[in-house]
Amino acid sequence: GNSVTQMEGPVTLSEEAFLTINCTYTATGYPSLFWYVQYPGEGLQLLLKATKADDKGSNKGFEATYRKETTSFHLEKGSVQVSDSAVYFCALSPPGNTPLVFGKGTRLSVIA
Amino acid sequence: DVKVTQSSRYLVKRTGEKVFLECVQDMDHENMFWYRQDPGLGLRLIYFSYDVKMKEKGDIPEGYSVSREKKERFSLILESASTNQTSMYLCASSLSGALYGYTFGSGTRLTVV
Repeated sequence: GNSVTQMEGPVTLSEEAFLTINCTYTATGYPSLFWYVQYPGEGLQLLLKATKADDKGSNKGFEATYRKETTSFHLEKGSVQVSDSAVYFCALSPPGNTPLVFGKGTRLSVIA
Repeated sequence: DVKVTQSSRYLVKRTGEKVFLECVQDMDHENMFWYRQDPGLGLRLIYFSYDVKMKEKGDIPEGYSVSREKKERFSLILESASTNQTSMYLCASSLSGALYGYTFGSGTRLTVV
């Protein structure tokens, strides 16, 4: 079946630290991969995506590379800000028109 | 700016009441989804729809039903609200296919007392 495993939080970092949030997946076929962000009290927003192997998605200083050989899509940012404090969800979209499969989310807190 | 609009941000209902959660999208998306979000459990899919008058059960449909009479509107119905349905409810929509992500509404925090 299809599943997404992401690192458990919470993750607490100081401002300007390097961020990595690990995400690995199990899927049949070749899925598309996504990262979503949820700020406090809001719905989820699409942060970035990659639709085929070796694609790199990037947005707002965040990036993630679709690694087929390691079935991973780790989220990285070189220098986090307090405003990046949120919950981050990794997700995959199986081939065809079937619902996204989400990881459980990782809460990030960035302190000044 | 494209949007998914959920009718209420906060809702308090009594046990046994019939509750309607409304979701409207203005992007002409074919697909619409209802999730609930609970601490430690992540997002769980309740129901989804790929077309008008079409619905599919998700992972946790018990105690819920849905209605999609028009393409832009997808309603979630709690037939007889119970305290274990206290949760954040999120609606989303998307184009057909695996390449497109979802656009989410802001969520409705429902409390059943």
